[in-house]
Amino acid sequence: NAGVTQTPKFQVLKTGQSMTLQCAQDMNHNSMYWYRQDPGMGLRLIYYSASEGTTDKGEVPNGYNVSRLNKREFSLRLESAAPSQTSVYFCATHDRAKDEKLFFGSGTQLSVL
Amino acid sequence: LAKTTQPISMDSYEGQEVNITCSHNNIATNDYITWYQQFPSQGPRFIIQGYKTKVTNEVASLFIPADRKSSTLSLPRVSLSDTAVYYCLSPIKAAGNKLTFGGGTRVLVKP
Repeated sequence: NAGVTQTPKFQVLKTGQSMTLQCAQDMNHNSMYWYRQDPGMGLRLIYYSASEGTTDKGEVPNGYNVSRLNKREFSLRLESAAPSQTSVYFCATHDRAKDEKLFFGSGTQLSVL
Repeated sequence: LAKTTQPISMDSYEGQEVNITCSHNNIATNDYITWYQQFPSQGPRFIIQGYKTKVTNEVASLFIPADRKSSTLSLPRVSLSDTAVYYCLSPIKAAGNKLTFGGGTRVLVKP
């Protein structure tokens, strides 16, 4: 029972490159989230998926796209990376029908040069 | 819609009790208040949740007044390892599953 798994753990990109951050959960939760956390700052919601087949913008969606591939997987794509997207990215899952807890992955540290 | 509001930082000493109050004026009617702890280079970790009055577990206590517009996380007898950032989270009315965090409270426990 791995919980929430994020890959990769670290990534360095050059400006303009693209990449996809992967998140998978084995908790059978309906809702999944992508947050970013800049150094010394709080968590900001990028996108979320309330249930399989739906996605919605969060607080800072510009420059990102998401795909809720199935109930287990929620990916975050940077089409053309910019230095301002240097951050730690956290995936989280939640199931309001069960309880109010958010479960987080260990994060992806992304640097854009 | 206002997010939660917490003090930016708090200092304490080993063995003391730390109380962190969070304001959440727009809390959704049927939803719980949850608190998370985050250490450097790690994802946040759930520590406690409550709906009203008082909840206690092995880590902390949570006090919620009747109007539920605020909550207070109480960490008894803190140790150096309790140095972390603490976030409260409460679903906002009309925001559905859009769970947004406030800035958190950075707690520094000194020897």
